[in-house]
Amino acid sequence: AQRVTQPEKLLSVFKGAPVELKCNYSYSGSPELFWYVQYSRQRLQLLLRHISRESIKGFTADLNKGETSFHLKKPFAQEEDSAMYYCALRDDYKLSFGAGTTVTVRA
Amino acid sequence: ETGVTQSPTHLIKTRGQQVTLRCSSQSGHNTVSWYQQALGQGPQFIFQYYREEENGRGNFPPRFSGLQFPNYSSELNVNALELDDSALYLCASSFSGAGNTIYFGEGSWLTVV
Repeated sequence: AQRVTQPEKLLSVFKGAPVELKCNYSYSGSPELFWYVQYSRQRLQLLLRHISRESIKGFTADLNKGETSFHLKKPFAQEEDSAMYYCALRDDYKLSFGAGTTVTVRA
Repeated sequence: ETGVTQSPTHLIKTRGQQVTLRCSSQSGHNTVSWYQQALGQGPQFIFQYYREEENGRGNFPPRFSGLQFPNYSSELNVNALELDDSALYLCASSFSGAGNTIYFGEGSWLTVV
């Protein structure tokens, strides 16, 4: 069975500092991985997906199949990045989510 | 703007009662899924409907059931409510096929007392 682990429940960084959110997964096939973000009082929304290999809002994530990781990174955190972040793995028809990491960016 | 709408936004039910939650998919989406998100946890997959039939289910008992209508709107029904059913229930829609983005609604907060 697939599983997604986000080891950090809370992450606090200062504005302008780098931020990295860890995500590890276990999956027997070829994974399709995503990062979703939930800003305060807003719906869960897609931030980025590994197959796109794009940068959204300055965030990037690289799939490392050897380490079974899909860490989310941003070199310079902004206050508007404060939110809840979920790593998710897609298996056919469903998404399996990690428990989430709450990021607080302090001025 | 994603276009997935859910109702009601909040409701309180008593243990043992039944509840129906509703979802309107984003226009053009033929697949709808429901997730349960307990406080402090990530969303957990309940089931998915495609063309009005359930085509995938997570680890939830049969008292969790659903419907998808010809216009692709959907309902989640939960019978014999338990205190642990208190959670945010998320509806998600997408167009069928690998690689298509899944869009979420804002959710329905259910409190069972």
